[in-house]
Amino acid sequence: KAGVTQTPRYLIKTRGQQVTLSCSPISGHRSVSWYQQTPGQGLQFLFEYFSETQRNKGNFPGRFSGRQFSNSRSEMNVSTLELGDSALYLCASSLPWTGRTEAFFGQGTRLTVV
Amino acid sequence: AQSVAQPEDQVNVAEGNPLTVKCTYSVSGNPYLFWYVQYPNRGLQFLLKYITGDNLVKGSYGFEAEFNKSQTSFHLKKPSALVSDSALYFCAVRGETRYGGSQGNLIFGKGTKLSVKP
Repeated sequence: KAGVTQTPRYLIKTRGQQVTLSCSPISGHRSVSWYQQTPGQGLQFLFEYFSETQRNKGNFPGRFSGRQFSNSRSEMNVSTLELGDSALYLCASSLPWTGRTEAFFGQGTRLTVV
Repeated sequence: AQSVAQPEDQVNVAEGNPLTVKCTYSVSGNPYLFWYVQYPNRGLQFLLKYITGDNLVKGSYGFEAEFNKSQTSFHLKKPSALVSDSALYFCAVRGETRYGGSQGNLIFGKGTKLSVKP
């Protein structure tokens, strides 16, 4: 069974640009969450999508947005990039919450803003 | 609010010795606790979880964790460490917000770097 696939793996962007990251969940998983990992702030929750609807959102500015498609694939977008957006962006997928399910993570997209 | 603390930035262990990576939590309601491991330039790999039931949870790669409700702890353990266990370990707790079948969010500790020397 294929794991969570994130593309691209590495990305270099210039300040002010925008970027779109993609996540394909494990087949059958309908919940997709996004996390930002930085050395200073650690792992922080961005948002979660379930059945094409944003269900939860972390404390990030509106420049960070996402969406989920009918096949559960998800994209996140960051507009007007800032140097501080440089991070590893991780996507996680999971089955609908039953109290016994865990999230599985992709390998991440390393975004560098210069 | 839910929170997780990993009091040690780094744990050093000799190969073959037992290892413990500490985690304490604060939750309202039932705790749903997880351990993940991260190797350099990789995503997070699920190790084990506590949802309910036995306080000793067994997971992948010989790891286990002990849930202690009175001490609000969920320490990760392994009887005999391997050099290949060297990695960054994260404890996490499920956030409170869940709608229908959604997962809510995971709240992570800041991570503990485990170094196993030959």
